[in-house]
Amino acid sequence: NAGVTQTPKFQVLKTGQSMTLQCAQDMNHNSMYWYRQDPGMGLRLIYYSASEGTTDKGEVPNGYNVSRLNKREFSLRLESAAPSQTSVYFCASSGGAWGSSENTIYFGEGSWLTVV
Amino acid sequence: AQSVSQHNHHVILSEAASLELGCNYSYGGTVNLFWYVQYPGQHLQLLLKYFSGDPLVKGIKGFEAEFIKSKFSFNLRKPSVQWSDTAEYFCALGGYQKVTFGTGTKLQVIP
Repeated sequence: NAGVTQTPKFQVLKTGQSMTLQCAQDMNHNSMYWYRQDPGMGLRLIYYSASEGTTDKGEVPNGYNVSRLNKREFSLRLESAAPSQTSVYFCASSGGAWGSSENTIYFGEGSWLTVV
Repeated sequence: AQSVSQHNHHVILSEAASLELGCNYSYGGTVNLFWYVQYPGQHLQLLLKYFSGDPLVKGIKGFEAEFIKSKFSFNLRKPSVQWSDTAEYFCALGGYQKVTFGTGTKLQVIP
């Protein structure tokens, strides 16, 4: 009963390094999301994918890229990490049409990223 | 555009006190509304959700929320809090293709 799985759980990067956060869901959901969580700022949407093959920018997309590899997987890439990207990153997914009881968002357990 | 406001950033209550956390939203279409809870060091978990029908929604752990369309509000309530309710609470709005979260309210319950 995995739900949403994201890796790695913890990562320390040096400024300028690149890395990819992986996310996979096993609930056959159409929509997937990447959020970042910072103290006092709640969750902010970085990118989302409403369906396989599509991606769209959220509130804070700068410095990130995403790939919806297939229906299950949605990765987030930091091309050149900056200290401002130190944060907790959450992948999430939701299924069903808007207004249906299936359209609840489910979260992964988070990835703690520190950029030094 | 869709947005969510949570006006209480930090709430401190004694055990057995009643709780009400405010949530207001802005959105022109059909709304799906959620409350999530995040215990220290953990990910967000769904407390309750509103899609349609009865505006008073009951969730897990004794929480409930009332959707008041005229006030664009979806406040979270619990009659009697416990120390284990210490957590951060997020209101969220599901609009077209995406979910927007409020900035969260940290609840501290003192034994």
